[in-house]
Amino acid sequence: GAVVSQHPSWVICKSGTSVKIECRSLDFQATTMFWYRQFPKQSLMLMATSNEGSKATYEQGVEKDKFLINHASLTLSTLTVTSAHPEDSSFYICSARLRFEAFFGQGTRLTVV
Amino acid sequence: QKEVEQNSGPLSVPEGAIASLNCTYSDRGSQSFFWYRQYSGKSPELIMFIYSNGDKEDGRFTAQLNKASQYVSLLIRDSQPSDSATYLCARIAGGTSYGKLTFGQGTILTVHP
Repeated sequence: GAVVSQHPSWVICKSGTSVKIECRSLDFQATTMFWYRQFPKQSLMLMATSNEGSKATYEQGVEKDKFLINHASLTLSTLTVTSAHPEDSSFYICSARLRFEAFFGQGTRLTVV
Repeated sequence: QKEVEQNSGPLSVPEGAIASLNCTYSDRGSQSFFWYRQYSGKSPELIMFIYSNGDKEDGRFTAQLNKASQYVSLLIRDSQPSDSATYLCARIAGGTSYGKLTFGQGTILTVHP
């Protein structure tokens, strides 16, 4: 199957700093990628849809100024958590769609201390 | 009503038994459904997808879709301890939201030796 690579797999940062997470489609082009967040013992919740060459579409309740998404190429989308706080600690997962399947990155465990 | 609902479990079955996982959805316009398996701390991995009424079999897994009853299920035959994980049911959006997955809360499956 297709490969989606997400980096870093885990990160610890201080409160108030920003963290960038990268999502790459390695062997296919993805005009659309999706960013999910998963809190412990909960399911994946879609945060935003990342569109190559245009603005991301955010789900209701997700602060677009806090979670900056850039999709500058057909193989790369980035999510930047700005001014991170402990409540932003979560598992962030990206996915890219190829035909009928959605391929997920490995996920990024963010811990804000 | 949630778009996709699952019994959170936990569901416990003995090794070698059939595990039955269920999912209901609210949007009658939903076309395609996915079953993902997620191990703790890892990203979801696709087991199978289904979009036609009836059964779809792949190895030990059988997905069943009943659009009239808005019901999707996953059967795991000859369950193994390695099948112990959280199973996520998801529907995919169409139209301008094409590719966006909406997940159920997941069912925790434990297969005991």
